[in-house]
Parts: sequence; structure tokens; C-alpha cells
Amino acid sequence: AQKVTQAQTEISVVEKEDVTLDCVYETRDTTYYLFWYKQPPSGELVFLIRRNSFDEQNEISGRYSWNFQKSTSSFNFTITASQVVDSAVYFCALSEIQAGTALIFGKGTTLSVSS
Amino acid sequence: DTGVSQDPRHKITKRGQNVTFRCDPISEHNRLYWYRQTLGQGPEFLTYFQNEAQLEKSRLLSDRFSAERPKGSFSTLEIQRTEQGDSAMYLCASSLPGLAINEQFFGPGTRLTVL
Repeated sequence: AQKVTQAQTEISVVEKEDVTLDCVYETRDTTYYLFWYKQPPSGELVFLIRRNSFDEQNEISGRYSWNFQKSTSSFNFTITASQVVDSAVYFCALSEIQAGTALIFGKGTTLSVSS
Repeated sequence: DTGVSQDPRHKITKRGQNVTFRCDPISEHNRLYWYRQTLGQGPEFLTYFQNEAQLEKSRLLSDRFSAERPKGSFSTLEIQRTEQGDSAMYLCASSLPGLAINEQFFGPGTRLTVL
């Protein structure tokens, strides 16, 4: 069965701190995709990144970086030098080729960045 | 703006009434999804269309829920005989076609309150 666990419910940091959001997934499929979405206070989900199961290269986009490790079934997200605008709920999601195209979301991690 | 749009943004109804929501996907996206999100949870998949065909339905989609996408463009989600447990944010998303699982772009959602 497919499952996504985001063990950190809430994280609070001060501006300029680095923060890592954890994501652990379960799947029996060999071909799957992992995603991160941001949901700011305005409510609209914003796509951040998609990775497929065959590409374990880490990715960096500005202050954002992602670490994908199949050995530990984890897809962690790091924000470097956090800013107040990073305050949001962050969701990790999984989709398996065999199970269809639906996204299975974790419960999300609420990140609060104070100035 | 060429993103996913949803109408209405808010709906308050009395228990037992029927409600209908509309979603307009990004124009070149032939995949359309409905999700439901309750407070403190990640979105949960309801149903998926590829063009006008409804290809996947979650067990969450009881017989009081029906979705259509008659011409492969906009979609409607109807809830009959609403219950208080139906109160949630209903999200629509769309994605490009293809063999891979592409990123889904979400609309702003319709917040339903059942009194």
C-alpha cells in the first residue's frame, strides 16, 4: 500500500535559519513519482518539485534543495536561509504508475518563520 | 490568468441540500482531478478524468457524489443530500497528458460549509 509520512507536524524557526522537512514514503511499485507542494496561508497549493524513482540526484533550486534516498525511502526538503515568506504548510506526495495517477499526500508540515 | 479556476470559492448550505461545484482546468491539460481537504490534513483523492472519461474513483466518493466532464473541458462535482461531514475544501487540479505522472496544478478550491 502506498503511504506518505511527514512526522514533523509543526516547525518554528527564526529567519535565516536552515530547516529540513522530512518525508518518508512506502510503496511496492518500482516506478513512482514524488512531489513537494507548498500551501501558503492563502490556501492555494503550489507545485515545487517532481522526482521519479529512477533519478536519485539531489536537486537545488535557489534556497530550496531536495534529498532523495531510495535506500531509506525518504525525500527530504531543505530550505536554506529561511525567510518569513516561507511560512506555509508543506506537503510531500507520492504517485505510483501501477496505482494510477492520483497523488497520495502526507499530512503536511507547518513551517513558521519568524523575523 | 491561465491557471485552474474553481467556482464558487465558498458555499454555505443546509444539511440535505444538493450542491454543485465547477472546475475549469488549464486549457491544454487533458487530465483533471478532484480532491478533498479537511482541516489539518493533506488533500485526499476523489476522482480523475482523462478527457471526458472518468478513469479512477476513490472509495471516498460515496454514491451521493457524482462528477462529470462532458466535453473534456470543465468538470462539475455534485454532492447530493449534503451532510455535515462533507464540510471541507474541494480542490481541482489538472495536468498534461503523457506516459509519465506529471505535476498537477491546483485551483484555489471551493470551501463547503454544511450547517
